Amino acid sequence: DSGVTQTPKHLITATGQRVTLRCSPRSGDLSVYWYQQSLDQGLQFLIQYYNGEERAKGNILERFSAQQFPDLHSELNLSSLELGDSALYFCASSVSPGGRLLGAKNIQYFGAGTRLSVL
Amino acid sequence: KNEVEQSPQNLTAQEGEFITINCSYSVGISALHWLQQHPGGGIVSLFMLSSGKKKHGRLIATINIQEKHSSLHITASHPRDSAVYICAVSPYSNYQLIWGAGTKLIIKP
Repeated sequence: DSGVTQTPKHLITATGQRVTLRCSPRSGDLSVYWYQQSLDQGLQFLIQYYNGEERAKGNILERFSAQQFPDLHSELNLSSLELGDSALYFCASSVSPGGRLLGAKNIQYFGAGTRLSVL
Repeated sequence: KNEVEQSPQNLTAQEGEFITINCSYSVGISALHWLQQHPGGGIVSLFMLSSGKKKHGRLIATINIQEKHSSLHITASHPRDSAVYICAVSPYSNYQLIWGAGTKLIIKP
């Protein structure tokens, strides 16, 4: 158990709908990362928050947004869903903001993922 | 060209074989990570290293910073090692990891 909790585990919805994925980081971790993994594809970095502030943005669509709350949990909102949004969405957390910092504080711990199916 | 290249993309081996997965990168880094993704989807961090070699059980990771290359070795491979192994680097230039495409390993009994 990584200590990172993602809910729900599975989500089935229809095109055009909006969903919210939730992530609770490990106790003490200030950074939260969101990744998308489409079928048989590698991980695509979406966005990172550190201590409530957006830290870095990757390949995140304008239809997607995220936030990190004062209690450090994070939510990823996906709207106007399309068939191509079907994927595994992973959340990860780390102590540090990442990058140049070395050591165990830079390790990302992953949640089990939310499998989103858009029908 | 991708900044992080893994080889091979797919690897099938017999139980007991010595496995090597390679990762080459083209940017300056502060650390390199190896992760394992199980068939069910879960991702586990195996190693983070910035120099030399690390060992955990039957897994060994090495890195050569000058050559910008890392290897992940599995000794006495077992079917439960079947997974996707992912290399990712922490570049100097920004805060996000740069991810390799992964190596899908199948160990047959």
